[in-house]
Amino acid sequence: GDSVTQMEGPVTLSEEAFLTINCTYTATGYPSLFWYVQYPGEGLQLLLKATKADDKGSNKGFEATYRKETTSFHLEKGSVQVSDSAVYFCALMSNSGYALNFGKGTSLLVTP
Amino acid sequence: DGGITQSPKYLFRKEGQNVTLSCEQNLNHDAMYWYRQDPGQGLRLIYYSQIVNDFQKGDIAEGYSVSREKKESFPLTVTSAQKNPTAFYLCASSIDTGFSNTGELFFGEGSRLTVL
Repeated sequence: GDSVTQMEGPVTLSEEAFLTINCTYTATGYPSLFWYVQYPGEGLQLLLKATKADDKGSNKGFEATYRKETTSFHLEKGSVQVSDSAVYFCALMSNSGYALNFGKGTSLLVTP
Repeated sequence: DGGITQSPKYLFRKEGQNVTLSCEQNLNHDAMYWYRQDPGQGLRLIYYSQIVNDFQKGDIAEGYSVSREKKESFPLTVTSAQKNPTAFYLCASSIDTGFSNTGELFFGEGSRLTVL
């Protein structure tokens, strides 16, 4: 079945460092891909999405490009802030799906 | 403000008891979902509903039940048959359903259930 694999955390970075969180997927057809973020004690929020190959999603300085050739959707940010500390989830929606399949989440801690 | 409200935020239960988690949305969304979150496990789908009076099992439905009598409400009952119910439960909704589902879910703040 469809699934998402993302790098395990926790990831600890200093403020202004470059961030990459890897995400790869397995799916038939052409799924839509998403990154969701969960701040401490809260539910998840959509961060960005891409619906077809080579699309780039971006929001709040974060970017991810849908790479069909490598079945990847890695999350990047050029300069992280303390306020970016959260858990990040990669997810996919298959063509025939009715709900999102989530990865296990990657915890990010940014220190001053 | 529009959004999804889950209650209670924290709930303690003795073994053998059923408990019901509330989820209400005023976003006028057709689709609603329940996910379970465990440390290191990510989110796993319990049940989802695309329309009133209809719902489908997700990946881990055993030991859970739901109802969808009203568009805005999708309560989840954790029954005594659920062998490991201690977890964080997240309710979500989406304006889209079926093949037009864009995957944009709006989540509540969650309910943390602890079995004593």
